[in-house]
Parts: sequence; structure tokens; C-alpha cells
Amino acid sequence: QQQVKQSPQSLIVQKGGISIINCAYENTAFDYFPWYQQFPGKGPALLIAIRPDVSEKKEGRFTISFNKSAKQFSLHIMDSQPGDSATYFCAASIIRAGNNRKLIWGLGTSLAVNP
Amino acid sequence: NAGVTQTPKFQVLKTGQSMTLQCAQDMNHEYMSWYRQDPGMGLRLIHYSVGAGITDQGEVPNGYNVSRSTTEDFPLRLLSAAPSQTSVYFCASFAPGWGSTEAFFGQGTRLTVV
Repeated sequence: QQQVKQSPQSLIVQKGGISIINCAYENTAFDYFPWYQQFPGKGPALLIAIRPDVSEKKEGRFTISFNKSAKQFSLHIMDSQPGDSATYFCAASIIRAGNNRKLIWGLGTSLAVNP
Repeated sequence: NAGVTQTPKFQVLKTGQSMTLQCAQDMNHEYMSWYRQDPGMGLRLIHYSVGAGITDQGEVPNGYNVSRSTTEDFPLRLLSAAPSQTSVYFCASFAPGWGSTEAFFGQGTRLTVV
């Protein structure tokens, strides 16, 4: 059962365009929503994250939009560059028994930005 | 700081062989985990540890063992390698804090079982 559904699976965007990746979740107990970026041959690295009490967070060209009522959040990459070509993972975090946090991952989106 | 260091980077095993994937972190993180990454399947949790001496199973633990004798090290053992274990393996450690959960990943181990 995939608790965080990510789409699309792959995305091709022209340089300068906007890349949009969407994620949806079911569990309203999730309280932290990060996006990770993974380049080929590397491990994922935190890109940007948001809490559900905020509807939008922007860091440079990267923006997370969060819709709590719809249980959806999305990553927008403005002015996409070839260097943004990577796999992007959304995730949702929840506290479990023993005060341990668990990350639930989306399946990833492979982004290619054409020059 | 080196962050999370995984060795080896590449490995080829024959079916039935055993091996240990090494993972070390120098950030004093209590929480560490092992994931495998397969095309179209995202990151699947194999085992995790919330501190030295404490480990637990994730989503896909069969065929793997872990131990955590120190805060720094979290090795993953393949008991009897099978072709289905061909994958890229990532070790991650997690920064503390209830409001966030930043995961720091190693560079991965690409394992091929023939």
C-alpha cells in the first residue's frame, strides 16, 4: 500500500520552463513533508521541506505548495535548468511509538531538462 | 565531517555468497537505516536502528541482517545472496528533532548478484 503517491513518474521540460511534481497522501497524522533530489550515482539529498501549517515555501527557484484539505503537495521548479535533471522524491514524516519518526517515500520522478 | 560513508561502492556476488555492506556516520545520529532502490520502486526500507543495540525490521527485511554495536556503524549483512537482491543500497542517518527529519544518505552500493 503506497501511502504517498507521486506523479508523474517521468517528466521532460525545456530549459527555462516550469517543472511540476505532485504528491498525495492519505494519513492526516503526517506532519512534515520533504522533497529530496537525487543525481545519478549519488544518494538522495534534502532539497526543501514544509510543515502542514504553511501553504507555500520558497527557496530560490524551488517552491513547495501545500494543500492540507486536499492532502496534496507539489514541487515547482521555476526556470528549470539542465543541472536540475535528477530524480525527485517526495516524502511524508510521522511520529511513531517511542517518539521515533518514520519517513514514507513516494516512488520518485525522473526529471530531464532539455537545453 | 565526512557525513555517511558506505563501502564498497560496487560489488558483484555469486548466488549463495554472503557479504557485509559497511556504513559509518560521523554526525552522532542515533537513527540510521538501510534502503534498497530499484527502478520504479522508490526507496524501500530494509532495516533501521534507533540507537546502539537497537534494531528493527523495515518493509523488506528478508535475506538481510543488521547489528548496531556503536552509534557510528550500521553494517548490513546479506546472508546468502540471491539475484533478487541485485539493487542499489543506501544507508542513511537522520538528524534529531521532532519537527523535522532530515535524512543524510551515503553514496550507495551497487550490488549485482549473478
